[in-house]
Amino acid sequence: NAGVTQTPKFRVLKTGQSMTLLCAQDMNHEYMYWYRQDPGMGLRLIHYSVGEGTTAKGEVPDGYNVSRLKKQNFLLGLESAAPSQTSVYFCASSPTSGDYNEQFFGPGTRLTVL
Amino acid sequence: AQKITQTQPGMFVQEKEAVTLDCTYDTSDQSYGLFWYKQPSSGEMIFLIYQGSYDEQNATEGRYSLNFQKARKSANLVISASQLGDSAMYFCAMGAGGGYQKVTFGIGTKLQVIP
Repeated sequence: NAGVTQTPKFRVLKTGQSMTLLCAQDMNHEYMYWYRQDPGMGLRLIHYSVGEGTTAKGEVPDGYNVSRLKKQNFLLGLESAAPSQTSVYFCASSPTSGDYNEQFFGPGTRLTVL
Repeated sequence: AQKITQTQPGMFVQEKEAVTLDCTYDTSDQSYGLFWYKQPSSGEMIFLIYQGSYDEQNATEGRYSLNFQKARKSANLVISASQLGDSAMYFCAMGAGGGYQKVTFGIGTKLQVIP
């Protein structure tokens, strides 16, 4: 049981390049999330999904797109990377049963945009 | 809109002592949940404890307890008998609203345990 995994762990991009971050979970969770973590700002929600085929905007969605074609995967795309997108990106998932269950986090992806 | 406020950028505590990390929140929702996460220097996010807005008793998980004061909108984390391994960033978070679990995080408190 791997939990939540993220690919890649590190990436360096040049301004204007595109890339996709992959998040996978094997816990059969309905909800999945993408956050970014910047120094002094905690975690901020980029996009989230409440089920396969559905996505929604979070607090800081501009410059990012997401897709949830399969329940276990949640992809985060940067179409034209900017230095302001240099950050650590965390994916998380949570089940729907119960009340406000904890989110299970992946190990993070450190992205640098030059 | 939801808001989480953590006003202590950094805290020091002597090993084996107890420490309280402050968290206040703001929401118009009647039903919500409060979480605490730990982030050690290795970077992973570790869930510590959860408190529901309708829970009458404070949540406890081992050495962690959540001092929930609903009227004051505070959800402080208390760590008893601090250990060197408790040195980390601690984030308070809140989930609210129906139909999805949109969670808002505070900016965190850096705790350092002194031997």
